[in-house]
Amino acid sequence: GENVEQHPSTLSVQEGDSAVIKCTYSDSASNYFPWYKQELGKRPQLIIDIRSNVGEKKDQRIAVTLNKTAKHFSLHITETQPEDSAVYFCAAFDNNDMRFGAGTRLTVKP
Amino acid sequence: DAGVTQSPTHLIKTRGQHVTLRCSPISGHKSVSWYQQVLGQGPQFIFQYYEKEERGRGNFPDRFSARQFPNYSSELNVNALLLGDSALYLCASSSPRRATGTGLADTQYFGPGTRLTVL
Repeated sequence: GENVEQHPSTLSVQEGDSAVIKCTYSDSASNYFPWYKQELGKRPQLIIDIRSNVGEKKDQRIAVTLNKTAKHFSLHITETQPEDSAVYFCAAFDNNDMRFGAGTRLTVKP
Repeated sequence: DAGVTQSPTHLIKTRGQHVTLRCSPISGHKSVSWYQQVLGQGPQFIFQYYEKEERGRGNFPDRFSARQFPNYSSELNVNALLLGDSALYLCASSSPRRATGTGLADTQYFGPGTRLTVL
């Protein structure tokens, strides 16, 4: 089955700086890669996703890149703001199930 | 436009008891997935249902079962509760544009979850 590893587990940046979170996956059949933001006590919220036929996708300050050969994908947040502070999860989906990474706790210091 | 809803919000049970959790998907969504999220970890996939059929199953014991109804709502049942079953149980709905093999990959929207505590 799929195995997703996520790094770093914690990340602290200054407001306005960029943040990068990286994930690797093991199953080459995985074809869909979403990223979720989860604030304390709340549900995971989809912030961006990418499919295996695309190498990069951007939505305002958020971008995701996918390298299928190396089996890794990354989340990039530019011009970070204190409200970006949360736990971020990557996930990989193949034909059978969705596997999540362990999460990255991002703290943006004002 | 209602999102995914789950009930109950919180639940306290004792070891050995049985629990039923409920989920209503976004209107028009035909697929429901269930996840277990232990504190400090990412969600763990339990089941996916589409058109009332099981389309995916994670690595959980047979004590966990689920079903989907004609209106696409779903129930997750857990028998013989253990302390380790204490977690946030999340339901996610999606509207797959195509079926690929036995699983369906599409954007999933999560409900608020049910916090289960087993004493």
